[in-house]
Amino acid sequence: AQTVTQSQPEMSVQEAETVTLSCTYDTSESNYYLFWYKQPPSRQMILVIRQEAYKQQNATENRFSVNFQKAAKSFSLKISDSQLGDTAMYFCAFGSSNTGKLIFGQGTTLQVKP
Amino acid sequence: KAGVTQTPRYLIKTRGQQVTLSCSPISGHRSVSWYQQTPGQGLQFLFEYFSETQRNKGNFPGRFSGRQFSNSRSEMNVSTLELGDSALYLCASSPDRAAYEQYFGPGTRLTVT
Repeated sequence: AQTVTQSQPEMSVQEAETVTLSCTYDTSESNYYLFWYKQPPSRQMILVIRQEAYKQQNATENRFSVNFQKAAKSFSLKISDSQLGDTAMYFCAFGSSNTGKLIFGQGTTLQVKP
Repeated sequence: KAGVTQTPRYLIKTRGQQVTLSCSPISGHRSVSWYQQTPGQGLQFLFEYFSETQRNKGNFPGRFSGRQFSNSRSEMNVSTLELGDSALYLCASSPDRAAYEQYFGPGTRLTVT
């Protein structure tokens, strides 16, 4: 069975600085997808970034980038130039091509301080 | 395109009652998944529907059921509500397989008293 682990329950960062959120996963599949979702206090889950396991190049979306280490089963999210609006809970998720469902980590609460 | 919509947004029910939640996916999306989110258990997968067929099911009791209509709108039903069913219920839609990428609705906050 696949598992997703986020070992940092809470993190904080000063506005304009860079922060990295960690995520590890376990799977025997070779073809899968990884995601970072953001859930602000409004509770709306927002897709931040998506990575296909077969792609070696790390995904980037504006200030958000990932460090995907397939052999180590690690998938970290880097947020550059942090903004107050980045304050939210961040979930790492694994998408199984076999089962077609998403498995989420427990989340990391990120607070951006002015 | 309009996003995923869920109704109602908030619901208060009494133990033993049943409840039906509704989800309208993004136009053109055929896959709808449901999740239960609680502080203790986090986000747990309930089930996924694709073209009116349940394609995947999570580890929840039979009191939790769902269906999908020909227009891809989905409903989930919880019968004989228990206090532990209090949660945020999230619906997500995907163009095809849920694993590729999902877009979430705002959720329905269910409180069971």
